[in-house]
Amino acid sequence: QVQLQESGPGLVKPSETLSVTCSVSGISVSTYYWSWIRQPPWKGLEWIGYIYYGGSTNYNPSLKSRVTISVDKSKNQLSLKLSSVTAADTAVYYCASGGLEGPIDSWGQGTLVTVSP
Amino acid sequence: DIQMTQSPSSLSASVGDRVTITCRASQSISSYLNWYQQKPGKAPKLLIYAASTLQSGVPSRFSGSGSGTDFTLTISSLQPEDYATYYCQQTYSTPLTFGGGTKVDIK
Repeated sequence: QVQLQESGPGLVKPSETLSVTCSVSGISVSTYYWSWIRQPPWKGLEWIGYIYYGGSTNYNPSLKSRVTISVDKSKNQLSLKLSSVTAADTAVYYCASGGLEGPIDSWGQGTLVTVSP
Repeated sequence: DIQMTQSPSSLSASVGDRVTITCRASQSISSYLNWYQQKPGKAPKLLIYAASTLQSGVPSRFSGSGSGTDFTLTISSLQPEDYATYYCQQTYSTPLTFGGGTKVDIK
C-alpha cells in the first residue's frame, strides 16, 4: 500500500522559496507518476505538476517559471520548490500518486504553507 | 487548458436522497474523468476513475457515467458519511484540471 507524508516549513516570507518534501513508502519513486497539488484555504484544487519515471517533469504553465519538482531516489522522497512566493501561494500542499491518463489514487495528508512577512 | 465546470456548486439533501452532480469539460476528454470526495481538513479521496470505474473499497451507492464532455456522479441513497465536497478532474491532457467542487450538506 502506497503511503505519502508531506513535511514543510509552515511559514515562508514573501519573495522566498517554498520547499516541501514528501516521503513515500510502499513503492519506489522511480516508478509511476507523482503529482503535487495545492489547495488555498476554502478554495478548490490546483494541479502544480508531476514527475514520472524518476526524472521527467510536466508543470502547470501558470506556475512553470517558479516550480521545480524532483526526486531523491536514495531517500525515496519527492521534493517541491516554488520560488518568489506571494500571499497567493498560501495553501495546503499535497503530494499524490498518479498523473496523466490515470487518476490521482493516493494522497498525502497535506501540509499547510502560509506566506507572510 | 481544459475547463471543468461542475454544477451545482452546492446542494442540500436528506439521508436517503438520490443525489446527482454534473461535470462538463470545455472539450472532449474521452473517459479521462475522475471523481473525488473531500471532507473538511482531509485530503481528497478517489471515488471513481475513467468516468465509471468504482475505486476499490468505495461503496456501490456511488456511480459515474458519461464520456466526451458531459459526466455525472450519482449517489443512489445519501448516507450521513457522504456529506462532503466532490470534485471532478480531467487527466486527458496537461495541465490537469479540477472542477470547482460541489458541496453536499444536510437539508
